[in-house]
Amino acid sequence: QVQLVESGGGVVQPGRSLRLSCAASGFTFSSYAMHWVRHAPGKGLEWVAIISDDGSKKYYAGSVKGRFTVSRDNPKNTLYLQMNSLKAEDTAVYYCAKDHDYGDHYTDYWGQGTLVTVSS
Amino acid sequence: DIQLTQSPSFLSASVGDRVTITCRASQGISSYLGWYQKKPGKAPKLLIYAVSTLQSGVPSRFSGSGSGTEFTLTISSLQPEDFATYYCQQLNSYPLTFGGGTKVEIK
Repeated sequence: QVQLVESGGGVVQPGRSLRLSCAASGFTFSSYAMHWVRHAPGKGLEWVAIISDDGSKKYYAGSVKGRFTVSRDNPKNTLYLQMNSLKAEDTAVYYCAKDHDYGDHYTDYWGQGTLVTVSS
Repeated sequence: DIQLTQSPSFLSASVGDRVTITCRASQGISSYLGWYQKKPGKAPKLLIYAVSTLQSGVPSRFSGSGSGTEFTLTISSLQPEDFATYYCQQLNSYPLTFGGGTKVEIK
């Protein structure tokens, strides 16, 4: 069965960096695009980034472009989100999610999320 | 960026009620519209994709319709497990965006 397990969250000061990881299993990781989505406390869902199956294409939300970098290691079945210059408004639960089976970029499986708190 | 506006943002309903949630896009998004359910402390769940296609395992009381810029999610007979927040998402162009959410609470 598909499993996605995020890690790397925690409390970090504004302006610092953090790297999230997402370990995938139960499907052919290298065949699917992958997403990061976040949910800030009291706010709605926000799509953050997508990376293509081979890592050659990446797209970002405007709020994180230039600060966050999505990457993947297919042999290790792992997705990453490098977050730099963190701001208080980046505080959220971050989810990794698998692209839909049909390659249409809906997301059919999600991890349990990892909480990132940006605070001094 | 394409903005999605959901209405209402909050609704109170009883078990057995028919519930309709609307999602309006700031420009045409063809059929690239999905719906997700989010419960506190849980990951979002894909309910419907491509406007009206039910994701595998989702009960048939959920349905979607619409085209162009206006879309709806309907729950034909609200069940206790359906009390949650619902989000639409557009996949017509990057950045992908979600609507602001509609919280469905028990009356």
